[in-house]
Amino acid sequence: GAGVSQTPSNKVTEKGKYVELRCDPISGHTALYWYRQSLGQGPEFLIYFQGTGAADDSGLPNDRFFAVRPEGSVSTLKIQRTERGDSAVYLCASSLAGPSSMNEQFFGPGTRLTVL
Amino acid sequence: QQQVKQSPQSLIVQKGGISIINCAYENTAFDYFPWYQQFPGKGPALLIAIRPDVSEKKEGRFTISFNKSAKQFSLHIMDSQPGDSATYFCAASNPLYNFNKFYFGSGTKLNVKP
Repeated sequence: GAGVSQTPSNKVTEKGKYVELRCDPISGHTALYWYRQSLGQGPEFLIYFQGTGAADDSGLPNDRFFAVRPEGSVSTLKIQRTERGDSAVYLCASSLAGPSSMNEQFFGPGTRLTVL
Repeated sequence: QQQVKQSPQSLIVQKGGISIINCAYENTAFDYFPWYQQFPGKGPALLIAIRPDVSEKKEGRFTISFNKSAKQFSLHIMDSQPGDSATYFCAASNPLYNFNKFYFGSGTKLNVKP
């Protein structure tokens, strides 16, 4: 079956612009995660959705970052007034629901965002 | 403040050799320790994981060794192959959360020479 997909694969924008990054999780996965991966670093947690609600958004760096998941499936990460420091690969992952640590997170290929 | 520290940053191993990557953590509440493998242009993929109630877990050529008292865990890749060349990340999660809020290490870029 299809894995997690993310679009676009690459996004180049200018400082100050607004961008939207899309994630399509694996069908049936109610848990969805966004991470940010800077060059040479491990993924850094941004936000976690359980269904339609953001259960934990403590990793969002500031109020320029916002994410939605209105129907409990596709999610969009929105970044306002982009800054050069926002340049990174944004990863999305999904998993089955529940608190079990054995619910594997499946990652998408990421969106590489470059802010000029 | 990095919750999980990983070393080395890069590693070169000859084909057939053993690759060893180390991670250390401070938060004793962590209770799940996965290793992820990432190829260029791809997202990380789960390789193997361990919980602190065991000291070792082996799956094929991949073994995790866990030292709870030292708060360290390591990945051993036996009989390393050129296809193993990738970036490896260790991670840890905290059961206080009702989901896997992973803290990742900074990654180790492994190059296995033919």
